[in-house]
Amino acid sequence: QQQVKQSPQSLIVQKGGISIINCAYENTAFDYFPWYQQFPGKGPALLIAIRPDVSEKKEGRFTISFNKSAKQFSLHIMDSQPGDSATYFCAASLQGAQKLVFGQGTRLTINP
Amino acid sequence: EAGVTQSPTHLIKTRGQQATLRCSPISGHTSVYWYQQALGLGLQFLLWYDEGEERNRGNFPPRFSGRQFPNYSSELNVNALELEDSALYLCASSLVPAFYGYTFGSGTRLTVV
Repeated sequence: QQQVKQSPQSLIVQKGGISIINCAYENTAFDYFPWYQQFPGKGPALLIAIRPDVSEKKEGRFTISFNKSAKQFSLHIMDSQPGDSATYFCAASLQGAQKLVFGQGTRLTINP
Repeated sequence: EAGVTQSPTHLIKTRGQQATLRCSPISGHTSVYWYQQALGLGLQFLLWYDEGEERNRGNFPPRFSGRQFPNYSSELNVNALELEDSALYLCASSLVPAFYGYTFGSGTRLTVV
C-alpha cells in the first residue's frame, strides 16, 4: 500500500516532442505528490509538485495531471529539449510521516 | 546560500567494516532525511531526524543508524557492511513540516567489496 509504481522505465523522445511519465499509487492517504529530476552524479532536485485537491498544475513546460479517482498522476514535458535528458522520479508522501515514497524512476533521453 | 553538503563523495569499505557518512543541511533547516538509492531500486527512505531526535525510520535493519548534532548536521552509520549495502546514500533537509519537499545533497557513493 506504500508503493508508487512508475512507468515507463526508459523513454526516448525527439526534440520538440511531448514526454509523458505515469505514476500510480494505492494509499489514498497520500497528500503530496512531487516530481524530482536527477542528473548523473547529482542528487534529485524538486521539479514540480501537486496536492490532491488540484487536478492539474503547470510550471513552464512541465505539467502534472492528477486523477484522484484513478489514483494516478503524470508528468508532461512539452517541447522536450536535450537538456531535459535525466532520470525522473515521482513520489508521494504522508505529511505527518515526513517521508517520501518514490517510484522506480524513468530514464528520459531527448534526441536532438 | 550553500546547499546540502555530504561527505565523503566516495567511500570504499570491506564487507564487515563500518561506514560513517556525514551531512550538513541548508542553514535554517532543522530536519535531515537519509535515503538509499541502490541501482535499479529507486530511493528508499532510511531515517528522519529533527531537533536531534529520530522521528521516523524505514524498513532497514538496526545496523543502519545515525544521529543529529546540535548544529543539525547528521551522521549515518552502517555497521557490519554487506555487499548489498553498496549504493548512493542521499541526505536531504527541510524546514518542518516539509510542505514543499526536500532539498537533496549530491550523495555519498558507498562501495562494499
